[in-house]
Amino acid sequence: AQSVTQLDSHVSVSEGTPVLLRCNYSSSYSPSLFWYVQHPNKGLQLLLKYTSAATLVKGINGFEAEFKKSETSFHLTKPSAHMSDAAEYFCVVSPRDGGYQKVTFGTGTKLQVIP
Amino acid sequence: NAGVTQTPKFQVLKTGQSMTLQCAQDMNHEYMSWYRQDPGMGLRLIHYSVGAGITDQGEVPNGYNVSRSTTEDFPLRLLSAAPSQTSVYFCASSYSVGYTEAFFGQGTRLTVV
Repeated sequence: AQSVTQLDSHVSVSEGTPVLLRCNYSSSYSPSLFWYVQHPNKGLQLLLKYTSAATLVKGINGFEAEFKKSETSFHLTKPSAHMSDAAEYFCVVSPRDGGYQKVTFGTGTKLQVIP
Repeated sequence: NAGVTQTPKFQVLKTGQSMTLQCAQDMNHEYMSWYRQDPGMGLRLIHYSVGAGITDQGEVPNGYNVSRSTTEDFPLRLLSAAPSQTSVYFCASSYSVGYTEAFFGQGTRLTVV
């Protein structure tokens, strides 16, 4: 069994300040973890993924996430928010050797960036 | 290279009507899936396919039907629309048997009145 919890449904930051979007997971398998971004009226786009290599994963647009097994967390960070980062972000967990039917999406975090 | 293309982008149906949401990908991906997105619930898997001629149910399959006659196309059929099917629908494709990166279409916003 597995689950994923995004701890904040909404996060608001000022432009130029750090971004932290929190994600905790539980899985009885060795997990793969992903962050996707969804801009308004668009499909989801992969930001970054953790499969089994380095625990600090760098993604597109300056985002990164750290896989912490002891804390069962995979928080998404960015040092300095841009207006274009305003979007909804989804944390996703899957067994590393699993298929589509075992993928679990979080409920999403809406990021607001204040000018 | 268009990626994953969904049509239509918007649709309004009356209760009891049927319709087909179209999905096509040009990346030669074996794996395709349909999700619905509802506020506060993330994405939930409706049906998926691991190749032409092979489909299976996801988490919320009731009221929906799929088929996969070609690698490129994976239509989703609503048999008799209900207000509970008001949602945003996303089609996605992937190149790997294990879940890796999925490529999403832009979505179809469906309203059932």
